[in-house]
Amino acid sequence: EADIYQTPRYLVIGTGKKITLECSQTMGHDKMYWYQQDPGMELHLIHYSYGVNSTEKGDLSSESTVSRIRTEHFPLTLESARPSHTSQYLCASKGMNTEAFFGQGTRLTVV
Amino acid sequence: AQSVTQLDSQVPVFEEAPVELRCNYSSSVSVYLFWYVQYPNQGLQLLLKYLSGSTLVKGINGFEAEFNKSQTSFHLRKPSVHISDTAEYFCAVSDRTGGYQKVTFGTGTKLQVIP
Repeated sequence: EADIYQTPRYLVIGTGKKITLECSQTMGHDKMYWYQQDPGMELHLIHYSYGVNSTEKGDLSSESTVSRIRTEHFPLTLESARPSHTSQYLCASKGMNTEAFFGQGTRLTVV
Repeated sequence: AQSVTQLDSQVPVFEEAPVELRCNYSSSVSVYLFWYVQYPNQGLQLLLKYLSGSTLVKGINGFEAEFNKSQTSFHLRKPSVHISDTAEYFCAVSDRTGGYQKVTFGTGTKLQVIP
């Protein structure tokens, strides 16, 4: 069973607020990813990491930022949330030669 | 660069009928291939994966897929679907080389099982 956790599962927040979406995995995976997914739509890679202190922007431009200070932790931060950030955010991790394991997702609504 | 194409955005099928969800990929290097299923308000769950070896792979819930290198396809099949199979299905590809091993997803296919 995958051990990757995202908190919170649901978040409703006002415009202009700073938020951090948490993602933690206990599998020791080096590679971690953040995807953004609008309801019923495809997944877009917005950030990924090769390991500690490694972060890269993904295929879809995002105003969010990420950090990777510890192997198991890959938080995503929005400095000033806007309604256009309303979406589902999925975190995943991957070992070498394995599939990606996904968290349950965080559904963010910015009002 | 790699990409995944799922031509069918929605596939309606009657219960107990067979289904095939199509997936084609392109990549300049050797790849791993995956099918994931997503139920409403959930993350993605792995159905099956092709890493090497036999080109016919079996997964959970009675699904199977066949890797066809010459046609760069990895179609998902199930001989008899159930109502509980109603979900969205994503095909994904990851390159075999080192580095970031980005996982690229298709646009998804919504499977609607009709009672």
